Amino acid sequence: KQEVTQIPAALSVPEGENLVLNCSFTDSAIYNLQWFRQDPGKGLTSLLLIQSSQREQTSGRLNASLDKSSGRSTLYIAASQPGDSATYLCAARFSGNTPLVFGKGTRLSVIA
Amino acid sequence: DAGVIQSPRHEVTEMGQEVTLRCKPISGHNSLFWYRQTMMRGLELLIYFNNNVPIDDSGMPEDRFSAKMPNASFSTLKIQPSEPRDSAVYFCASTPGVGQPQHFGDGTRLSIL
Repeated sequence: KQEVTQIPAALSVPEGENLVLNCSFTDSAIYNLQWFRQDPGKGLTSLLLIQSSQREQTSGRLNASLDKSSGRSTLYIAASQPGDSATYLCAARFSGNTPLVFGKGTRLSVIA
Repeated sequence: DAGVIQSPRHEVTEMGQEVTLRCKPISGHNSLFWYRQTMMRGLELLIYFNNNVPIDDSGMPEDRFSAKMPNASFSTLKIQPSEPRDSAVYFCASTPGVGQPQHFGDGTRLSIL
């Protein structure tokens, strides 16, 4: 069964810290992987999409990496801010015509 | 740019009633997805459509659930009859094509009493 796992479920850091969120997936033959942010009471906002041929993608203070051989992706957030507080979900597509499989998310709190 | 639009935002109803959730995808997107999110199970795919055609409904929990997409700009998810265990947040998402980022609506928070 293709699964996506995110550990830890919750993380609290002081403002200004650099941090890494982890995502692991069971099938190394991944098509692409997407990181989302979800604020309370809201839908998911796409942050970064990494295709299987790519190793990383960057957007502002965010950097997502993909290591297919180890079945892992990380989301690096530089110089964290209280506004970064949200739940971060990763989702993997295991082939071109299959839907995303989601992890359960990491709830991030950045303390001022 | 209008994003994915879902209605209603909140729905509270008694068990046994019919519930209809609505979704308008982003114009030009040809795939539409319905998800359910709960604390226990996270985000689960219920059904998705490509070009208005249902492709995979294996995530639909029971025959009480049905979804339609009569045209490219509208989809519904119905629950009849509703039960308390159907209480969750239901999301609709759309994407312009295979391998492209999915865009989510703000969800419908459903409470069945």
